[in-house]
Amino acid sequence: GESVGLHLPTLSVQEGDNSIINCAYSNSASDYFIWYKQESGKGPQFIIDIRSNMDKRQGQRVTVLLNKTVKHLSLQIAATQPGDSAVYFCAETHQGAQKLVFGQGTRLTINP
Amino acid sequence: NAGVTQTPKFQVLKTGQSMTLQCAQDMNHNSMYWYRQDPGMGLRLIYYSASEGTTDKGEVPNGYNVSRLNKREFSLRLESAAPSQTSVYFCAGMTTLSYEQYFGPGTRLTVT
Repeated sequence: GESVGLHLPTLSVQEGDNSIINCAYSNSASDYFIWYKQESGKGPQFIIDIRSNMDKRQGQRVTVLLNKTVKHLSLQIAATQPGDSAVYFCAETHQGAQKLVFGQGTRLTINP
Repeated sequence: NAGVTQTPKFQVLKTGQSMTLQCAQDMNHNSMYWYRQDPGMGLRLIYYSASEGTTDKGEVPNGYNVSRLNKREFSLRLESAAPSQTSVYFCAGMTTLSYEQYFGPGTRLTVT
């Protein structure tokens, strides 16, 4: 069946450093991937997405990399700030599917 | 434009009591979803509605029922609450044009 997992449940980084959050998926039919950020007490919010015909996509301070060969997805956050503290989820789906499959989540904490 | 709204924000039930969680969206979403999130855990899909008039089970449907009242509203009902249903419940909506799901703020439910 479909599954999406994250390698690390927690990640601590120094303020100003770059953060890398990883995600593995197992469904080779997946062709669309999304990263969500969930701040404490709030619902998840969309950060960035990528389709399977791309290897890399950049947003504001965030970059998502997709390696279809090893079914691996990563989210890179540049110059991590205190406001980046949150739980980050990857999600995957495929064309025609009616739902997303979410990974477990990684909690990112920022050290001053 | 309120996005996705959920009521109530907080609820405490006794074992065996029933209640309905309400969700409404004004984003013209075709699909709507109910998730639960236990402390320190990821999102688990309870039920979803791919379009008005249809509902389907997700990963953890037992103990819940849903109603897609119209395109805007999707309710989740607990007929006989159990302590294992203590969780935060999120509703989300999604258009068929993209797979980005928009989440509501959540309902924090405690069953004693």
